[in-house]
Amino acid sequence: ETGVTQTPRHLVMGMTNKKSLKCEQHLGHNAMYWYKQSAKKPLELMFVYSLEERVENNSVPSRFSPECPNSSHLFLHLHTLQPEDSALYLCASSQELQNTEAFFGQGTRLTVV
Amino acid sequence: AQKVTQAQTEISVVEKEDVTLDCVYETRDTTYYLFWYKQPPSGELVFLIRRNSFDEQNEISGRYSWNFQKSTSSFNFTITASQVVDSAVYFCALSEKSGGSYIPTFGRGTSLIVHP
Repeated sequence: ETGVTQTPRHLVMGMTNKKSLKCEQHLGHNAMYWYKQSAKKPLELMFVYSLEERVENNSVPSRFSPECPNSSHLFLHLHTLQPEDSALYLCASSQELQNTEAFFGQGTRLTVV
Repeated sequence: AQKVTQAQTEISVVEKEDVTLDCVYETRDTTYYLFWYKQPPSGELVFLIRRNSFDEQNEISGRYSWNFQKSTSSFNFTITASQVVDSAVYFCALSEKSGGSYIPTFGRGTSLIVHP
């Protein structure tokens, strides 16, 4: 079993839909992250959770809503997205906040139509 | 201004060639961390190396080597005798303190294509 698992791997949704991305880590890490990877742009940090508390929100639009019910699970709830939100959404975890290496999932390829 | 600059968008080499991926960073902190990650076609970023700002010793791991030069704010990555399996996007990242945490900033990545 891989360390960080993301589901679904691919998602196509309409602009009026509501969907959720799920991330699960089996590494016993305390910190979890959501990143957005768009074509030809740097990897963008969206949210950071440490011990289930949100510690970073990088000016992300409210149509993205994270949830961290426990240290092993992280969700990204999506509603009324725009086509420009189409991207690869990567989840990562690390032992602690960011002076240690992060372990990434394979990402969810999201297409908004 | 970009904090991490990977000037090479794409590099194409033939197998067995050596290749160097450049990374230049910008920070005012004295304590920071630098990373390299590899992103194969499967999507997940794979950690390769972490360096803290106080350790300028170069490192070699098999065919991979890293050259950290604080004087030029660079952390370059060299693959010796490249192989097709090295084809991937490689990201350099800088972690600086923001509030109580170290927040990472990634470069735009360099796509390496190794032809057989």
